[in-house]
Amino acid sequence: NAGVMQNPRHLVRRRGQEARLRCSPMKGHSHVYWYRQLPEEGLKFMVYLQKENIIDESGMPKERFSAEFPKEGPSILRIQQVVRGDSAAYFCASSPVKGTNQPQHFGDGTRLSIL
Amino acid sequence: DAKTTQPNSMESNEEEPVHLPCNHSTISGTDYIHWYRQLPSQGPEYVIHGLTSNVNNRMASLAIAEDRKSSTLILHRATLRDAAVYYCILRGEISNFGNEKLTFGTGTRLTIIP
Repeated sequence: NAGVMQNPRHLVRRRGQEARLRCSPMKGHSHVYWYRQLPEEGLKFMVYLQKENIIDESGMPKERFSAEFPKEGPSILRIQQVVRGDSAAYFCASSPVKGTNQPQHFGDGTRLSIL
Repeated sequence: DAKTTQPNSMESNEEEPVHLPCNHSTISGTDYIHWYRQLPSQGPEYVIHGLTSNVNNRMASLAIAEDRKSSTLILHRATLRDAAVYYCILRGEISNFGNEKLTFGTGTRLTIIP
């Protein structure tokens, strides 16, 4: 049983480029969550998606960031025109159903470095 | 979500039990208590959760105070692999979907001494 798969594990971009981070949830999981961890800080929620729908994007920066979870394929977190402050570890989690008693299963993250 | 308070760091000797405390004095009746841990260079890992009764699983035990204002994560026999940051998180019913996110604090950094 494969866990949550994120790729790439490491991504280097120059300022102004686009970054695409991919997340394949665990088999049978239709709920996906993205979190960001800045250096030496805790994880911060960004967005919660179900298949083809954004449910809660209260943690997403207003500009340059977008997320999708299409009917087929992985969830994508897209950062346009990256800046140095976007350097962080981005983690994806999934769960089979929603609910406050449901664990979220995390991938090992994508570490984004901006030159 | 209600706030939690944890010590910044703890140390324990290998092969001894570890008790990680968490205070949550403003917990509401429907808040679940979740614990996650994050090993170096890895994503968070679910450990255990509970509502009112003590819980056991293969990783740990969760002891919940009778008034639910505090809880303790118990690792029965610490190994070097248990060195991680441990997060105590409350998840409560706020709205249909607004509470799906996990709110991570700063956690407790656990060091295991060989």
